[in-house]
Amino acid sequence: KAGVTQTPRYLIKTRGQQVTLSCSPISGHRSVSWYQQTPGQGLQFLFEYFSETQRNKGNFPGRFSGRQFSNSRSEMNVSTLELGDSALYLCASSPGEGDAFFGQGTRLTVV
Amino acid sequence: AQSVTQLDSHVSVSEGTPVLLRCNYSSSYSPSLFWYVQHPNKGLQLLLKYTSAATLVKGINGFEAEFKKSETSFHLTKPSAHMSDAAEYFCVVSDGNTGFQKLVFGTGTRLLVSP
Repeated sequence: KAGVTQTPRYLIKTRGQQVTLSCSPISGHRSVSWYQQTPGQGLQFLFEYFSETQRNKGNFPGRFSGRQFSNSRSEMNVSTLELGDSALYLCASSPGEGDAFFGQGTRLTVV
Repeated sequence: AQSVTQLDSHVSVSEGTPVLLRCNYSSSYSPSLFWYVQHPNKGLQLLLKYTSAATLVKGINGFEAEFKKSETSFHLTKPSAHMSDAAEYFCVVSDGNTGFQKLVFGTGTRLLVSP
């Protein structure tokens, strides 16, 4: 069974630009969650989608948004990038209730 | 709100000696607790989980953790450290009150293993 796939693995963007990250969950999993990992703030929950609906959202500004498609793949978008958005973005896949399986992440660098 | 506190930011052990990584939790109801490991430049891997069944939980790679409600603790242990255990370990609680898949992470403990 294939694991959680995140693309791209690495990304360099300029301040003010926007970026879209992609996550393909494990086959059959309907829940996708996103987390931001930084040295200063640690791992923080961004949002969770289940069957194309956002069920919960963390404390991030509106520049961070996401969506989920009918095949459970998810994207997150960050608009008007700031230097502080540089982080490892991790996606987690789950059948809905239970274990979360993480991808290897997308390393975003904002310059 | 649920939270976890990892009591040590760094733990250093010698190969072959026991490992103890400490975690205390705060929860208004019976929590679901996890330990995840992150190797450099890698994603997070689930080591073990507690979901109100047995209080002693066995995980992968020889790790285990004991849920102690009276002490609000969920410490991670391993009898004998291996060089490959060097990584960052996260104690995690599920904010499961609403049934949503939201994990609350501790600040992490970096385990250093010397030969």
